[in-house]
Amino acid sequence: AAGVIQSPRHLIKEKRETATLKCYPIPRHDTVYWYQQGPGQDPQFLISFYEKMQSDKGSIPDRFSAQQFSDYHSELNMSSLELGDSALYFCASSTGLAGVEEETQYFGPGTRLLVL
Amino acid sequence: AQSVTQLGSHVSVSEGALVLLRCNYSSSVPPYLFWYVQYPNQGLQLLLKYTSAATLVKGINGFEAEFKKSETSFHLTKPSAHMSDAAEYFCAVSQAAGNKLTFGGGTRVLVKP
Repeated sequence: AAGVIQSPRHLIKEKRETATLKCYPIPRHDTVYWYQQGPGQDPQFLISFYEKMQSDKGSIPDRFSAQQFSDYHSELNMSSLELGDSALYFCASSTGLAGVEEETQYFGPGTRLLVL
Repeated sequence: AQSVTQLGSHVSVSEGALVLLRCNYSSSVPPYLFWYVQYPNQGLQLLLKYTSAATLVKGINGFEAEFKKSETSFHLTKPSAHMSDAAEYFCAVSQAAGNKLTFGGGTRVLVKP
């Protein structure tokens, strides 16, 4: 079965640079979530989109922005990168269809960002 | 507000022994509960979920979890540990359809031969 695709898988940036992370949800999934997992930490929710509209916002820095496009893929844009932004960034997707699958978020493999 | 507490950041079990990972939650509404597993340098894989159907939930790889409302718990068990079960396990909760997941701190499982 198709899974959530994230690109790139690894990214190395310098401080103050920008980065763009991409997420391609499972086909027919209309909801995308972004999470950040720092070293040795649990994933923290950043932001989510449903039908191309922001649906919820967590602890996302103002330097970060995200959007969901008409084909449901999403991009997380990160500017003025700081050392503390080094983390694993997960994208997850789910479907808004009624049923038992509605609440299940399926995660991508993550993008590991290293800021030097 | 919702939160998840996983008791024990590290658990060591012998191969063939029972695996028990504890998860307690707090939620103002009936929650949706999940267990995810993360193998080294990999993403999160869904093990099982509770969505107000049966209180005993069976997942993949022989894992199961029981929802106990009176104890606000959703502990994960596996009768017989296998070396391949060595990973980090996260309990997570969400409150409504399409809502964000709040994760516990994770429990790293070590399986000894």
